Amino acid sequence: EPEVTQTPSHQVTQMGQEVILRCVPISNHLYFYWYRQILGQKVEFLVSFYNNEISEKSEIFDDQFSVERPDGSNFTLKIRSTKLEDSAMYFCASSDVKGGVANEKLFFGSGTQLSVL
Amino acid sequence: GESVGLHLPTLSVQEGDNSIINCAYSNSASDYFIWYKQESGKGPQFIIDIRSNMDKRQGQRVTVLLNKTVKHLSLQIAATQPGDSAVYFCAENSGGYQKVTFGTGTKLQVIP
Repeated sequence: EPEVTQTPSHQVTQMGQEVILRCVPISNHLYFYWYRQILGQKVEFLVSFYNNEISEKSEIFDDQFSVERPDGSNFTLKIRSTKLEDSAMYFCASSDVKGGVANEKLFFGSGTQLSVL
Repeated sequence: GESVGLHLPTLSVQEGDNSIINCAYSNSASDYFIWYKQESGKGPQFIIDIRSNMDKRQGQRVTVLLNKTVKHLSLQIAATQPGDSAVYFCAENSGGYQKVTFGTGTKLQVIP
């Protein structure tokens, strides 16, 4: 079964450093997402991306965050200047199109655990 | 504000018994609900979904019940197996299709 893959599985960084989290969505999917999960808490929506632009974002997704589809297969999340509170598991997800809109059924990757020291 | 939450943080069930995981939601406009299973070290995995025009949907060993009157959702797992041990999240989408709101999760522990 096709799956969403994320790299790296763990990322340790110093506060103030930039990090890029990488994802390869399922190949025929057109909608891409980032979610995060702080330890012991809910999975939280960050951003959705379609047709090379952000289609929806949450209040968490401030100017320190950006997303990019640099080529036909990768989808990245960049945090420009990491803060301690950015430490979390970051999940990439993708979905295909159903009836002309995003299919609500999301496929998640296994996540990147980001630790900001 | 809008929220999706779970009644019980941890549920312990004997292997072979049925499990029921409950969820309350507050957004009356929610029209699509999903149950996800998250095993340790993995991302959420889709289990079953239900639309607001239904009150019951069955899958393989799982059933989701929706009571819109009291804004309550439940996941029933028949003949619970050790492999069912995980955290289960209910989630909702209120029509935007692009933002799924997750509940806080219930940890299911299956006792062999």
